[in-house]
Amino acid sequence: EPEVTQTPSHQVTQMGQEVILRCVPISNHLYFYWYRQILGQKVEFLVSFYNNEISEKSEIFDDQFSVERPDGSNFTLKIRSTKLEDSAMYFCASSQAFAKNIQYFGAGTRLSVL
Amino acid sequence: GENVEQHPSTLSVQEGDSAVIKCTYSDSASNYFPWYKQELGKRPQLIIDIRSNVGEKKDQRIAVTLNKTAKHFSLHITETQPEDSAVYFCAACAGGTSYGKLTFGQGTILTVHP
Repeated sequence: EPEVTQTPSHQVTQMGQEVILRCVPISNHLYFYWYRQILGQKVEFLVSFYNNEISEKSEIFDDQFSVERPDGSNFTLKIRSTKLEDSAMYFCASSQAFAKNIQYFGAGTRLSVL
Repeated sequence: GENVEQHPSTLSVQEGDSAVIKCTYSDSASNYFPWYKQELGKRPQLIIDIRSNVGEKKDQRIAVTLNKTAKHFSLHITETQPEDSAVYFCAACAGGTSYGKLTFGQGTILTVHP
């Protein structure tokens, strides 16, 4: 069964550094998402992406965050200058369409900002 | 925006018993309600979903009910087994301009004792 893959599984970085989290969505999916989960809290929506554009973003997704689809397979989340509070599990998801469509999640990248 | 509340936060049952997890949502425009199961260290996996034109859906030991008037939906697991032990998340997705944004509940840690 096709899966969403994320790399790395764990990323440790120093505060103020840039990080790029990588995702390979399921190949025939056109809609991509990033979510995050701070330890012990609920999963929170960050951004949705379609046709090389951000479709929707949450208030968490400020100017420090950006997303990109640099080629036909990867979907990346960049955090320009990490803060301690960015420490969380980041999940990538993809779906064939928007609303009412199943979103398949990757296994996540655990980001630890020191 | 949408707010999803999930209860209980933890649920402990004996093998063979039933388990019920309840969620409420705030946005009457929400029309898609998936449930995800997340085992320790693994990705969230969709186990069942329901759309707003349906009141109940069943898949073997798992069922979901939706009450649009009261804005709540529930997950029912019958004949629980130890392998059902995991964290369960409900979510809601609004149609229209939501672009697939899932709003999650806080999660329920289900423990099934043999």
